[in-house]
Amino acid sequence: NAGVMQNPRHLVRRRGQEARLRCSPMKGHSHVYWYRQLPEEGLKFMVYLQKENIIDESGMPKERFSAEFPKEGPSILRIQQVVRGDSAAYFCASSTGLAGAYNEQFFGPGTRLTVL
Amino acid sequence: AQSVTQLGSHVSVSEGALVLLRCNYSSSVPPYLFWYVQYPNQGLQLLLKYTTGATLVKGINGFEAEFKKSETSFHLTKPSAHMSDAAEYFCAVSGAAGNKLTFGGGTRVLVKP
Repeated sequence: NAGVMQNPRHLVRRRGQEARLRCSPMKGHSHVYWYRQLPEEGLKFMVYLQKENIIDESGMPKERFSAEFPKEGPSILRIQQVVRGDSAAYFCASSTGLAGAYNEQFFGPGTRLTVL
Repeated sequence: AQSVTQLGSHVSVSEGALVLLRCNYSSSVPPYLFWYVQYPNQGLQLLLKYTTGATLVKGINGFEAEFKKSETSFHLTKPSAHMSDAAEYFCAVSGAAGNKLTFGGGTRVLVKP
């Protein structure tokens, strides 16, 4: 059973370009979380999605950032008009989303975004 | 609202010595508590978790942690450090009502031969 997949692993963008980060959850998982890790810091929650539904986006910056998890295909974190401050490691985690129990999150290897 | 404080951003231990990483949390609901390890340029791997039940939790690689509600702490220990324990360690908390994780700032462990 493959783990959480993220691609690309490394992404370089120039200021003003768009970045698209993809996350394929573990088989059988229908919930996805995105976290951002700035240099020398811990991870910060960004957004929590179920297929075709955003459950919690309280950690998402108000502008330029968006996330989706379509019925088919991976979850996408999209950053428009990137700036140098967006340089970070972006981690995706997935869980089963089963009701009535704590759902462990399994993390992917991350996408390291560098903005030149 | 929840928060996590990890005391000490860097810890240096000798091989074979005790590893002690401190974590204090604040949570308005009964917490679920976690320790993750991150090796360079890799994702996070779960070491152990506390959800309910026994307050002393054993995890992988010889690590354990004790949930102390009165002290709002969840310190991580390992009796004897190994060179392979050199990594960054993150404590995290989650509320029972929601699953998002709130992480501490991390503690980087250096193991000296």
